[in-house]
This record gives sequence, C-alpha cells and structure tokens, in this order.
Amino acid sequence: EVQLVESGGGLVQPGGSLRLSCAASGFIFRSYWMSWVRQAPGKGLEWVASIKEDGSQKNYVDSVMGRFTISRDNARNSLYLQMNSLRAEDTAIYYCTRDIVLATAIWFDYWGQGTLVTVPS
Amino acid sequence: SSELTQDPAVSVALGQTVRITCQGDSLRDYYVSWYQQKPGQAPTLVIYAKTNRPSGIPHRFSGSSSGDTASLTISGAQAEDEADYYCNSRDSSGDHVIFGGGTKLTVL
Repeated sequence: EVQLVESGGGLVQPGGSLRLSCAASGFIFRSYWMSWVRQAPGKGLEWVASIKEDGSQKNYVDSVMGRFTISRDNARNSLYLQMNSLRAEDTAIYYCTRDIVLATAIWFDYWGQGTLVTVPS
Repeated sequence: SSELTQDPAVSVALGQTVRITCQGDSLRDYYVSWYQQKPGQAPTLVIYAKTNRPSGIPHRFSGSSSGDTASLTISGAQAEDEADYYCNSRDSSGDHVIFGGGTKLTVL
C-alpha cells in the first residue's frame, strides 16, 4: 500500500525557516518524480515544486523560486522541502505527492494527508 | 504562464448527470487530470490523462476533452460525490504544473 506521511509543519514567524519531510513507503521511491502541492485555508490547490527521480531536475512555482528548495534522499525514501524567508502568503497545508510524468501530462496519483504551515501576518 | 478556468460552483439533482468544465490554452497541448476533495481530506485522483479512471473510482466518473476545454462528467450523481473538484495539467512552458481554481459540486 502506497503511503506518504508528511511532517515538520508548524507556526513560524515571517522571515523564518522550516523544513518539511515526507516519508514514502509501499512503492519504489527512486522510480518516481515527487512534488509538493499546497492549499491555503479555504483556497484551491497550488503546485509548489517537483523533483525528478534522481534529483537531477527540480521545478518551482515562481512565487517560491529562490526561497524554497526541494530535495530527496532515495536511500531513506524521503522527500523534503526547505522553506526560507517565509511569508504570510505561504500559510497553507502542504501535501506530498507521487507523480506520474509523461511528455504530454503530469498527474498526482497519491497524496499524503498534509502538514500545516502557519506564518502569521 | 497559463491558467485553467473552472466554474466556482455547480449543482446537480441526485441521480442526474453533471458536467464540470476546465478551460485553458495549455489543454490544447497537454492532457488534463481531475481530483476530488472532500472537506478535511486530501485530494483524490479521479481521472488522469484526459479519459482514464484509476482503479477504485466508480464508472459514473468519466473525462473528455476538445480543443481548450476538458470536462469531468458524473453520470448519476450520488450524495457522496458532493465535493470540490480540481483539474490540472502542465502549463504552456511544459515545466510547471497548474491547477484550476476548483468547482464546488452540490448534490441536491
């Protein structure tokens, strides 16, 4: 059974940092792209970042470029999101996802339950 | 960048058919996928690559696409289908991922 379990969320002051983790199990982690998707309170889904199977390619939404870093440890079956210079608008539930990536499509076939990051204004 | 547009809210009578649409230029080049999200839960994939249904998703869910518009159709909507629905695809650059703003489905 595929499982994705996020951790590391919490309350952090503006300008602060936080590192999110996602522990994956039930599939061959090193064979899949992985992503972080967030959802602000009462709002829709927003893709944040994706990382290739071997970590050689990383993509980010413009609003987090230069502040957030996605990484992975295939030996530990873990995905990470280092978040620096946090802003109030980064407040959201952050979901870890397993990705299916084709030249003509990308979709998220498994999602974790999410971890809440709160940055007060 | 590009965007995907969805109607904010749609309603359907119990047992009737409803179509939820997603419109965007990137859909001319990239396949769409659809997610269902119930309150307090993580999203669940219901349709991928335009028309494909993951195992465990009821057959009443189907997907289609033409030009710049994709549709999620629920044939014979059930009370448990009441949820938010989101579409996604690659953006026009191909490197980024975009989501529609979501459609809140109410089953009357």
